[in-house]
Amino acid sequence: AQSVTQPDIHITVSEGASLELRCNYSYGATPYLFWYVQSPGQGLQLLLKYFSGDTLVQGIKGFEAEFKRSQSSFNLRKPSVHWSDAAEYFCAVGDSGGGADGLTFGKGTHLIIQP
Amino acid sequence: ETGVTQTPRHLVMGMTNKKSLKCEQHLGHNAMYWYKQSAKKPLELMFVYNFKEQTENNSVPSRFSPECPNSSHLFLHLHTLQPEDSALYLCASSRTWAGQETQYFGPGTRLLVL
Repeated sequence: AQSVTQPDIHITVSEGASLELRCNYSYGATPYLFWYVQSPGQGLQLLLKYFSGDTLVQGIKGFEAEFKRSQSSFNLRKPSVHWSDAAEYFCAVGDSGGGADGLTFGKGTHLIIQP
Repeated sequence: ETGVTQTPRHLVMGMTNKKSLKCEQHLGHNAMYWYKQSAKKPLELMFVYNFKEQTENNSVPSRFSPECPNSSHLFLHLHTLQPEDSALYLCASSRTWAGQETQYFGPGTRLLVL
């Protein structure tokens, strides 16, 4: 069964500083990988996804993520965070064998932005 | 513009009540999903519908009963719930149910069971 680990429950970053959120996955084949963001009172919004090709993927709002097969990781990065980036971030893996399992999510990382 | 709407946004119910959650997607998608989001736990997939047919039921208690009358609408009927069922219930849709498809989420219904 697939699984996702986000080791950091909370991360605090100063506005303007760089950000990296960690994600490790467990999956037997090449995974489909996603990063979603959830602002308070909102549903989840897709930031970016990877399923083939270039291992560095660009997303919305200046985010990028790099797929590293050897490390089973898909870390999310942003060079300079803004106060509006404060939110909950979820890494997820999709089933390449079909949609029956939906998405498997990590527990999320809560991002706090310090002024 | 989310494309996926959910009503109500907030719901308080007693354990003996019967209520329904509604989800509607305006994206022309063929797959729809119910997820449960509890504090300190990952999102849990509850049900999957593909072209109106239920394809997945992840060992969800029978007090939760889904209904998908067409590809645009999804309901979650609730009856005799327990306090531990209090959570945010999220609906999502995708073009197909293939694993690489982006799922688009609604804002959720915040449910409190007293």
